[in-house]
Amino acid sequence: AQSVTQLDSHVSVSEGTPVLLRCNYSSSYSPSLFWYVQHPNKGLQLLLKYTSAATLVKGINGFEAEFKKSETSFHLTKPSAHMSDAAEYFCVVSDSGASKIIFGSGTRLSIRP
Amino acid sequence: ETGVTQSPTHLIKTRGQQVTLRCSSQSGHNTVSWYQQALGQGPQFIFQYYREEENGRGNFPPRFSGLQFPNYSSELNVNALELDDSALYLCASSLILGISGANVLTFGAGSRLTVL
Repeated sequence: AQSVTQLDSHVSVSEGTPVLLRCNYSSSYSPSLFWYVQHPNKGLQLLLKYTSAATLVKGINGFEAEFKKSETSFHLTKPSAHMSDAAEYFCVVSDSGASKIIFGSGTRLSIRP
Repeated sequence: ETGVTQSPTHLIKTRGQQVTLRCSSQSGHNTVSWYQQALGQGPQFIFQYYREEENGRGNFPPRFSGLQFPNYSSELNVNALELDDSALYLCASSLILGISGANVLTFGAGSRLTVL
């Protein structure tokens, strides 16, 4: 069975400091992993994806994530936070056949000026 | 390239009624999936359609049903509405090539359903 756990419901950082949003997953298959962002009153947007190629994945807006199989983690990072990064972030796991897609409960990222 | 469009954007129903939500897929996509997002929670996978057939389903009762049409647009139908069905319903389209492959989803803005 698949599952995904986002370890923090809310993260607050100062503008210009690093961002770390944590995600652990469980999957019986070789999973595909994603991070999506949801800005208020807007649709979900793909940040990045992992599909068994390079373990360090680079996404849009300076975000990246590292797949660590031994730790079953797929944490999202960004070296320097910007005010526009304030949003809800979702970690997602999908099986290899893409017939079941599971979202984490989300992490709300706040940026302090 | 057009994105994913959903209609209606907002609607209000009463308990026991039925609702149909519509979704137009992004051009070139062959798969559509539906999600329920309750307030303050992550989206919950309802089901996915590929080549007009359901090929994956989450933990939702049979009163949640769907259709995918030859032009890859889709409908979500919910019968016998309950108060807990109040949520944002998201549609996403994607292009699946073969059995395996990352299912990168393009989402619509959603339909917000309120059940009174």
